Amino acid sequence: EVQLVESGGGLVKPGGSLKLSCAASGFTFSSYAMSWVRQSPEKRLEWVAEISSGGSYTYYPDTVTGRFTISRDNAKNTLYLEMSSLRSEDTAMYYCARNYGYEDYWGQGTSVTVSS
Amino acid sequence: DIVMTQSPSSLSVSAGEKVTMSCKSSQSLLNSGNQKNYLAWYQQKPGQPPKLLIYGASTRESGVPDRFTGSGSGTDFTLTISSVQAEDLAVYYCQNDHSYPLTFGAGTKLELK
Repeated sequence: EVQLVESGGGLVKPGGSLKLSCAASGFTFSSYAMSWVRQSPEKRLEWVAEISSGGSYTYYPDTVTGRFTISRDNAKNTLYLEMSSLRSEDTAMYYCARNYGYEDYWGQGTSVTVSS
Repeated sequence: DIVMTQSPSSLSVSAGEKVTMSCKSSQSLLNSGNQKNYLAWYQQKPGQPPKLLIYGASTRESGVPDRFTGSGSGTDFTLTISSVQAEDLAVYYCQNDHSYPLTFGAGTKLELK
């Protein structure tokens, strides 16, 4: 059974940093691209990062480019999202998802709140 | 960026009714090389993450009931539920999988009367 378990969310001040993790199990992690998708309190979904199976290629929307970094450790079956220069508009539930051209499995999410 | 526009924003239906919802993209999601449309539909129930229903505009994900049908090509897509069940109460999102940045529609909320 595919399982994705996110962690690392919390309350952070504007301008602060946070690192999210996603532990994967139930599939060959190193064979799949992975994504981070966030959902705002208004329930809008926004894709925020994608990484290729081997980790060589990464993709971001303009809204987070230069502030967010996606990475992975295939030996530990773990996906990461490092977030810096956080803004109030980054407040959201952050989901990791397996990417097979589309996001076919999602974790339960970890909540990030950016507030002073 | 490709803008995904869903309509209506909400639907109120009775169990057993047929439901149709629309998703339009600002650019074509059709790959001319392989003639595949890169459009996915997700269902999100309260308190849960989104769940993949349809990919490639019309291919049902494994385990998805056959009352869910995706159709369309290019820029116009439709999700149809042939006979709505109580468990289908959810928000439905479409997603551009064609080009970066991947983008989602704002969702259609399905409510039961």
